[in-house]
Parts: sequence; C-alpha cells; structure tokens
Amino acid sequence: KAGVTQTPRYLIKTRGQQVTLSCSPISGHRSVSWYQQTPGQGLQFLFEYFSETQRNKGNFPGRFSGRQFSNSRSEMNVSTLELGDSALYLCASGGVVRYFGPGTRLTVL
Amino acid sequence: EDQVTQSPEALRLQEGESSSLNCSYTVSGLRGLFWYRQDPGKGPEFLFTLYSAGEEKEKERLKATLTKKESFLHITAPKPEDSATYLCAVRETSGSRLTFGEGTQLTVNP
Repeated sequence: KAGVTQTPRYLIKTRGQQVTLSCSPISGHRSVSWYQQTPGQGLQFLFEYFSETQRNKGNFPGRFSGRQFSNSRSEMNVSTLELGDSALYLCASGGVVRYFGPGTRLTVL
Repeated sequence: EDQVTQSPEALRLQEGESSSLNCSYTVSGLRGLFWYRQDPGKGPEFLFTLYSAGEEKEKERLKATLTKKESFLHITAPKPEDSATYLCAVRETSGSRLTFGEGTQLTVNP
C-alpha cells in the first residue's frame, strides 16, 4: 500500500509570492491534515479536511488556506509569503492514527 | 488548551545503554497518546498509540507506557540506528488534531 505522497519535495520562493503544496493520502483515507514544522515551534496544526470539508483549523493567519478534492487529494496554499513561513510542511492521512508524508521543505528568501 | 512537554530535549547514549524518554501531557480528555520517530528531513513515522493508563506497547527495542499524566518511551539496548528525534503527541476526546511536544533528539554512539 503506497504511503502519503507530497509534492513538490522542495521549494524556494521569495517574499510576497504565493505557493501551493499538494498531498495525496493513503488509498482509502478520507481525512487529511496539515502541519507546519519549524525548529522553534515544533509541529503546529494547520487544518484538517474530511470528505472535502474543513473539519478543524489551527491558529494560523488567513494567508494559509487549503482544500480537498473528491478523490481525497488535498492542497494547501500560502499567499503573500513571509520569511517566517520557511518550514517543513507535513501532510498526514488517516483517522485515529495519522500517517505522515515526507513533507515539503519551503524556503522563503 | 492541550499541552505536551517532552524531556530531555536531547539524549546521548552509548550503544547498549538503556534509557527512557518522558512525555508529560495535560488534556481535558485523552483520546490517544501517540509516539512517532522522525529522521532528519523526513516525516514522522508512527510507532505506538496508547489509550488508557496502565497500557503498554512494545516494538523491537522500544516500549511505551502510559499513566494519567505522562508517558514513557523505554529504549532497551539501543543501537546507532535508533538515533532519531522521538515525538509525542496527544489527541483530545473533543477534537481531531494532534498536539505535539518538542521532541527528544536521541543519539546512540557505537
């Protein structure tokens, strides 16, 4: 069974730009959640989607948004990038147990 | 608000030297406590889920235990390949998000 896949694996952007990250969950999983990981803050919850509906949202500004498609694939978007958005963005799928993807390393210059 | 505190922040062991990692938590109602292992540049890898006080789970050299206030990850006779950051997370009964601790960075020297 294939695991969670995330694309792209690495991104370099400049301040003010926007970025879209993609996540394909494990086959059969309808829940997808997103986390931001930084050295100072650790893993912070961004949001969770279930069957195309946002079920929960963390304490991040409105520049961070997401969506889920009918095939359970999910995207997250960050607009007007700031230097502090540099992080590893992790996607997880699953119900009780969350299985994580390899992450997308975003660097904002 | 859920809180998870892990200690120590970093731990260096010699190969074969057993030790324990601690995860203290505060939640209004525990729906599950999770242990993950994370290698540099990779996503967290699921290890264990514990649900109630007194529960224990084992996998190879790792054993996780749970009380009402904390969880321990015991590492018996570790090997260099056990070197990683170990993350603890909790899920409360009324929510679906995981709240993570900062992790313990374990280094096992040969």
